[in-house]
Amino acid sequence: AQTVTQSQPEMSVQEAETVTLSCTYDTSENNYYLFWYKQPPSRQMILVIRQEAYKQQNATENRFSVNFQKAAKSFSLKISDSQLGDTAMYFCAFIAYGGATNKLIFGTGTLLAVQP
Amino acid sequence: KAGVTQTPRYLIKTRGQQVTLSCSPISGHRSVSWYQQTPGQGLQFLFEYFSETQRNKGNFPGRFSGRQFSNSRSEMNVSTLELGDSALYLCASSLAPQLGSNEQFFGPGTRLTVL
Repeated sequence: AQTVTQSQPEMSVQEAETVTLSCTYDTSENNYYLFWYKQPPSRQMILVIRQEAYKQQNATENRFSVNFQKAAKSFSLKISDSQLGDTAMYFCAFIAYGGATNKLIFGTGTLLAVQP
Repeated sequence: KAGVTQTPRYLIKTRGQQVTLSCSPISGHRSVSWYQQTPGQGLQFLFEYFSETQRNKGNFPGRFSGRQFSNSRSEMNVSTLELGDSALYLCASSLAPQLGSNEQFFGPGTRLTVL
């Protein structure tokens, strides 16, 4: 069974600073995707960034980048130049590719507060 | 393109009642998944429908059921409501011809409160 673990329930960062959110996962699958979703107070779940497991290059989306370590089963999210609008709950999620399910498996989330 | 819509946005029911939630996916998306979000259990997968067929089901009791119509709209039903069913119910849609291959887009959720 796949599991996703986020060990930081809450984090705080000053505006314009950089913060890294941690995520580890466990799976016996070889082909999968990893995601970071953001859920602001409005509760709308928004995809931040996605990484295909077969790609060695780390994904980047503007101020958001990941550090994907497949052997260590680690998938951290780095937010550069933090903005007040980045305040949200961040979920790490896993999905197997081509398996028997289209189920996203989520971690427990990290509540990020960006301080002015 | 319009996003995923869910109705109603808020719902208050009492124990023992039943409830039906609706989800309209993004146009062209044929897969609809449902998730339950609670403070205690986090985000848990309920079920997924693709082309009107339930493709996968999470570990929930039979009181939770769903269906998908030919236009890909989906409904989920919870019968004999319990206090523990109070949650945010999220719907997500994707193209998903290949399992796991496509991004899932989430709706704003339905907040269900059971009194």
